[in-house]
Amino acid sequence: DADVTQTPRNRITKTGKRIMLECSQTKGHDRMYWYRQDPGLGLRLIYYSFDVKDINKGEISDGYSVSRQAQAKFSLSLESAIPNQTALYFCATGGTQNTGELFFGEGSRLTVL
Amino acid sequence: AQKITQTQPGMFVQEKEAVTLDCTYDTSDPSYGLFWYKQPSSGEMIFLIYQGSYDQQNATEGRYSLNFQKARKSANLVISASQLGDSAMYFCAMREITNAGKSTFGDGTTLTVKP
Repeated sequence: DADVTQTPRNRITKTGKRIMLECSQTKGHDRMYWYRQDPGLGLRLIYYSFDVKDINKGEISDGYSVSRQAQAKFSLSLESAIPNQTALYFCATGGTQNTGELFFGEGSRLTVL
Repeated sequence: AQKITQTQPGMFVQEKEAVTLDCTYDTSDPSYGLFWYKQPSSGEMIFLIYQGSYDQQNATEGRYSLNFQKARKSANLVISASQLGDSAMYFCAMREITNAGKSTFGDGTTLTVKP
């Protein structure tokens, strides 16, 4: 089983719908992140959480919200999806171990029509 | 200003040859980490190599090495003996202690290995 699991892996939805992307991890890390990747571009940080009670906005948080239900679970919501939120979304954990690399989920591809 | 700059949107290399992917960074933090990640066409993100700002020697991991030039603020990835499976997008990233330990990514370089 993957250390970082994202569901759903693919989702097509319509403008105005509420969407939730879920992430769970078995790495035991306190830090969790949500990134967005647009075609041909790098990853941009949406939200991050350093523990269950610590949630912070990233560089592109408008239109998104998150919930840290437990150390292992971090979900991303689009309250009212719009077409320019069509992207590949990654959940990641880590960043505090000696080298600080991130461990990524396999990504959730979201299409908003 | 961009914190991570990857100036090569696309690169080609012949199989078995070496290739260098460029990365420059911008930070005033004395303590930071530099990373390279690989993203194959299947989409997952794979950690390749790490270089700490205080590390005296360039990092190496198998066929990957990081050419760290601190004064020039560059952290180029060198892939030796390229293989067809190296065809992917490669991202340079930086983690700064003063930036709450968050990682910032460049826009990536698409590498194509030719047989």
